Amino acid sequence: AQRVTQPEKLLSVFKGAPVELKCNYSYSGSPELFWYVQYSRQRLQLLLRHISRESIKGFTADLNKGETSFHLKKPFAQEEDSAMYYCALSGGSNYKLTFGKGTLLTVNP
Amino acid sequence: NAGVTQTPKFQVLKTGQSMTLQCAQDMNHEYMSWYRQDPGMGLRLIHYSVGAGITDQGEVPNGYNVSRSTTEDFPLRLLSAAPSQTSVYFCASSYSRQGAKSSYGYTFGSGTRLTVV
Repeated sequence: AQRVTQPEKLLSVFKGAPVELKCNYSYSGSPELFWYVQYSRQRLQLLLRHISRESIKGFTADLNKGETSFHLKKPFAQEEDSAMYYCALSGGSNYKLTFGKGTLLTVNP
Repeated sequence: NAGVTQTPKFQVLKTGQSMTLQCAQDMNHEYMSWYRQDPGMGLRLIHYSVGAGITDQGEVPNGYNVSRSTTEDFPLRLLSAAPSQTSVYFCASSYSRQGAKSSYGYTFGSGTRLTVV
């Protein structure tokens, strides 16, 4: 079974502060991890995936297999980063995505 | 391209009524799926399809039926609506099994907000 845990339902930071959205997973094989973002009244969209090791909109995420984590980080939060963030996992040849419960990030001015 | 189109955007049903949520994509994607989004529950997979004529159950399939007669369309049917099915429903698609893991990821529709009273 594959499981994704996002321990924080809500996260509030001030503009310019660092932000870290936590994601832990459970999967016996080699997982592929993703972050999806949903801005207010918009559809979900892919933010980044671990395999590409890219930085999107200043966000990065590193897969830590030892700690089974895939935390999303940004050094300086912006107000436009306010959104719901979902961590998602796909296991091996299984193309189905399992989503966490999401973290609502609010960046205050 | 329109991407993934869901209709209707909003719907109110009475308990026991049936209805179909429509999902259409114009990207020739093989893989399509339905999720429901509930506060504090994240997105949960209802049903999915890997191609025309092939469907399978996800995490929470009870009370829902799907069919995939064409590549483009993947309707979700509520047979007898219940208040527990009040939710926001999202359809998502991907061009292939590997596409779901690619830089394209899933393409989501804008959602259908369903209320069952």
